[in-house]
Amino acid sequence: GDSVTQMEGPVTLSEEAFLTINCTYTATGYPSLFWYVQYPGEGLQLLLKATKADDKGSNKGFEATYRKETTSFHLEKGSVQVSDSAVYFCALSDRRDSSYKLIFGSGTRLLVRP
Amino acid sequence: GAVVSQHPSRVICKSGTSVKIECRSLDFQATTMFWYRQFPKQSLMLMATSNEGSKATYEQGVEKDKFLINHASLTLSTLTVTSAHPEDSSFYICSARDSGLAPLHFGNGTRLTVT
Repeated sequence: GDSVTQMEGPVTLSEEAFLTINCTYTATGYPSLFWYVQYPGEGLQLLLKATKADDKGSNKGFEATYRKETTSFHLEKGSVQVSDSAVYFCALSDRRDSSYKLIFGSGTRLLVRP
Repeated sequence: GAVVSQHPSRVICKSGTSVKIECRSLDFQATTMFWYRQFPKQSLMLMATSNEGSKATYEQGVEKDKFLINHASLTLSTLTVTSAHPEDSSFYICSARDSGLAPLHFGNGTRLTVT
């Protein structure tokens, strides 16, 4: 079945450092890809998404490009802030599934130090 | 923006008892709700998909008689963990959307501890 693999955390960075969180997927169809963020004590929030190959999702300085050839959707940010500390989840949704349910990766905890 | 309210946020119960978790969409009608379970340092595992007025669709390996899901209205879905055991201790998260392609909104989760 469909699955998502993302790098294990925690990832610890200093403020203003460059961030990359790797995400690869396995899908039989043509999925939509998502990054969700979970801040401490809160629910998951959609960070960005891409629905087809070569699309780039972006939000709040974060970017991810849908790479069909490498089945990847890596999350990047040029300069992280302390407020970016959270758990980040990569996810996919198979558009052939009428429920559009999300399949999540294991999550990567990011800790940004001042 | 759309809000999904999940209650309670934390519950402790004794082994053998049942626990009900509520998930409400506060400002939209949720035609579809999803229930996830999250183990420590692990991914969110989809347990079931529920559509208003119909039976829930459970994922493989999820006991439907143990995890009862009711989606009786367009704003409320409940998950009841029946005859809970310590291995049911986990973080349960609901999510909801108002139509097939709409964004998915998540509740803040319920931490269940079974003693």
